[in-house]
Amino acid sequence: DAGITQSPRHKVTETGTPVTLRCHQTENHRYMYWYRQDPGHGLRLIHYSYGVKDTDKGEVSDGYSVSRSKTEDFLLTLESATSSQTSVYFCAINSDRGQNQPQHFGDGTRLSIL
Amino acid sequence: SQQGEEDPQALSIQEGENATMNCSYKTSINNLQWYRQNSGRGLVHLILIRSNEREKHSGRLRVTLDTSKKSSSLLITASRAADTASYFCATEETSGSRLTFGEGTQLTVNP
Repeated sequence: DAGITQSPRHKVTETGTPVTLRCHQTENHRYMYWYRQDPGHGLRLIHYSYGVKDTDKGEVSDGYSVSRSKTEDFLLTLESATSSQTSVYFCAINSDRGQNQPQHFGDGTRLSIL
Repeated sequence: SQQGEEDPQALSIQEGENATMNCSYKTSINNLQWYRQNSGRGLVHLILIRSNEREKHSGRLRVTLDTSKKSSSLLITASRAADTASYFCATEETSGSRLTFGEGTQLTVNP
């Protein structure tokens, strides 16, 4: 299994509070991704990174920000959490070759916003 | 909007039977990938088929790709109870290395 660790694995918080999710990889891969998974929507891309300090928006980026100060860590921040952001969040990585390579996923963070 | 759409949404079969899942997409792609997700876990990559390939095998898995119809199918032969999971197709568009996922097919294999 690819070395991907997501933390925390579960979190319950209140509307309006800031939340940061962490994805840590030990594979030295260039590409990292954050997805959310909701019933009826499959996985949707929030943000991704193609290198240290290089990030871009995905399909559902509103309300989320990311940072990548080291190759191994990709942080997802909800500045002011809303109930609509209750979801399961997955981090994925991709090898340096980029295109035509599979993504490898962490086991997810289940986030509940009350 | 979803690029990949899967059919059926749910499939229930008996052990030993074959399971077929279909995926349709809308734009030009570099490749199409199939992933599996067990309950409470992350997605696991199964197979990748490039746009210039028509069929690919991996163990009990067979994937076909028809770029003229913008569709793919995943066949699992001689299914086992352990194959019970959700299966997702994902397309990598020609514009970059991002994937777009379908909503998945929930496969249940009854012992």
